Amino acid sequence: DGGITQSPKYLFRKEGQNVTLSCEQNLNHDAMYWYRQDPGQGLRLIYYSQIVNDFQKGDIAEGYSVSREKKESFPLTVTSAQKNPTAFYLCASRLGGWDGNTEAFFGQGTRLTVV
Amino acid sequence: QQQVKQSPQSLIVQKGGISIINCAYENTAFDYFPWYQQFPGKGPALLIAIRPDVSEKKEGRFTISFNKSAKQFSLHIMDSQPGDSATYFCAAVYLLTGNQFYFGTGTSLTVIP
Repeated sequence: DGGITQSPKYLFRKEGQNVTLSCEQNLNHDAMYWYRQDPGQGLRLIYYSQIVNDFQKGDIAEGYSVSREKKESFPLTVTSAQKNPTAFYLCASRLGGWDGNTEAFFGQGTRLTVV
Repeated sequence: QQQVKQSPQSLIVQKGGISIINCAYENTAFDYFPWYQQFPGKGPALLIAIRPDVSEKKEGRFTISFNKSAKQFSLHIMDSQPGDSATYFCAAVYLLTGNQFYFGTGTSLTVIP
């Protein structure tokens, strides 16, 4: 059953700690994305990757880091430099390319709370 | 700078009524406009999408109306049902790069029985 899986669903972090959010897809999609969702602000792009070993900063990349060592995996690390990390984080993937399937599939999200 | 502006922020509709959500964009290079539906605690899911070469697309009770000259598009939900209560996001994509979906700020729809 193909899909995109985020884990964990809920995550608590102490201030000053780094934490890594997992995102795995078995859809054979080239492109993967990380979004942050805050009430009233919609979805804001943190990082995206169009191919393995390549990724680009989105609109709010400061305090975050990513890696794309495998096609199916795109983990996001929230570092201690992120001033306000409490949010709902969404990972998405799509087939990629301008002539192909343009639908983006989203995971179920990870709710991160700093305590 | 908000690439896609969405309104209203929240909407309350009686069961059986029509829900209308509006979006406006600036970049005329956008050529794919999807709408996503999100239930609480879940990720968004594609509801319906349109390319700018058509003015309207209908799928069941959901219709997108697209006005290229005005750079506006809207989602109409006919015969709204309580199960439609969710947050709706419009988005705009430039397919040539396809690397960023520019999302609106979302509309929280509540359908009252």
